[in-house]
Amino acid sequence: NAGVTQTPKFRILKIGQSMTLQCTQDMNHNYMYWYRQDPGMGLKLIYYSVGAGITDKGEVPNGYNVSRSTTEDFPLRLELAAPSQTSVYFCASSSTAGDSSYTFGSGTRLTVV
Amino acid sequence: QKEVEQNSGPLSVPEGAIASLNCTYSDRGSQSFFWYRQYSGKSPELIMSIYSNGDKEDGRFTAQLNKASQYVSLLIRDSQPSDSATYLCALSTGGGNKLTFGTGTQLKVEL
Repeated sequence: NAGVTQTPKFRILKIGQSMTLQCTQDMNHNYMYWYRQDPGMGLKLIYYSVGAGITDKGEVPNGYNVSRSTTEDFPLRLELAAPSQTSVYFCASSSTAGDSSYTFGSGTRLTVV
Repeated sequence: QKEVEQNSGPLSVPEGAIASLNCTYSDRGSQSFFWYRQYSGKSPELIMSIYSNGDKEDGRFTAQLNKASQYVSLLIRDSQPSDSATYLCALSTGGGNKLTFGTGTQLKVEL
């Protein structure tokens, strides 16, 4: 049982480049989330999804896009990368309504130079 | 005022002592509260959840919730060096099982 899998683990992007952070879960969880964590700033919600085909913005969505075509996958797209997007990105999932017990992926460390 | 406030620490305690971690929050509508542990360079992992006023014990961990005073705390008894990590307080906000996290308290357990 792999849980939540994120790829890649590390990536360096140049300013203006684009990339997709992949997130897959094999627990059949309906709810999925993308957070970013900056040093000393805690985790900030970027986007979330309550099921396939349904996504919504979190606290810091600017510069990002998501899609949820299947229950398993929740990719995060960065368009026109900026230095402010240098961060550690975590994908998480939870199973049912009212259950905020998250399972986190191992994270993607992204540097934009 | 931040939604979830934690002292960043570091909080240093000797091995075997009780570590007390505190968190205050501003949203009186929050119903669910969580403590996550995060080792350096790793992802957060859930250690405790609490939904009702009072204490909830799980092994060496006790979570305490006081909704009237808007604080939640985590006690770690018989602290071990392996407990050295950052502890994140989180609470549910709105629908979709969304969580708002504090910035975390770094705990150091010294030999």
